[in-house]
Amino acid sequence: EPEVTQTPSHQVTQMGQEVILRCVPISNHLYFYWYRQILGQKVEFLVSFYNNEISEKSEIFDDQFSVERPDGSNFTLKIRSTKLEDSAMYFCASSIFGADGYTFGSGTRLTVV
Amino acid sequence: GENVEQHPSTLSVQEGDSAVIKCTYSDSASNYFPWYKQELGKRPQLIIDIRSNVGEKKDQRIAVTLNKTAKHFSLHITETQPEDSAVYFCAATMTTGTASKLTFGTGTRLQVTL
Repeated sequence: EPEVTQTPSHQVTQMGQEVILRCVPISNHLYFYWYRQILGQKVEFLVSFYNNEISEKSEIFDDQFSVERPDGSNFTLKIRSTKLEDSAMYFCASSIFGADGYTFGSGTRLTVV
Repeated sequence: GENVEQHPSTLSVQEGDSAVIKCTYSDSASNYFPWYKQELGKRPQLIIDIRSNVGEKKDQRIAVTLNKTAKHFSLHITETQPEDSAVYFCAATMTTGTASKLTFGTGTRLQVTL
């Protein structure tokens, strides 16, 4: 079964540092997403991406966040200057079309110290 | 925007009993309602979904019902087993043929005891 792959599985970074979280969506999927889950809380939408541009973003996705699809396979989330409150599990997801085939990756646990 | 509420936050049942988790949504334009199971430290896994043109859907021990008028939907698990223990999230979205943002409920921690 095709999978969404995320790397690294766990990242520890110092406050103020930049981090890049990487995702490889399923190859025939057209829509890409990032979600965040703070420990013990619900999954929250950050951003959706289609045709090389952001489709929608949430209030959480402020100027410190950016997304990029640098080549035909990777989809990255960059946090420019991390804060303690950015500590969370970050999930990438992709879908074929709308909600069809919506698949989550295994997540990157980001710890900001 | 969409708001999804989920109850109860925790649910403990004995093995073999049924479990019911309920969600309400606010946006009448939402037309797709998936349910996810999440084990500790793992990704959300889709277990069942329902679209707004259907009132009920069943897959073995799991069923979902949707009441569009009341804007609520429920997950029913019958003959629960210890491996059903996990956190369950409902979600809602409007699928328009573009990117679909999922709005999640706050989760229900299900504990199935022997």
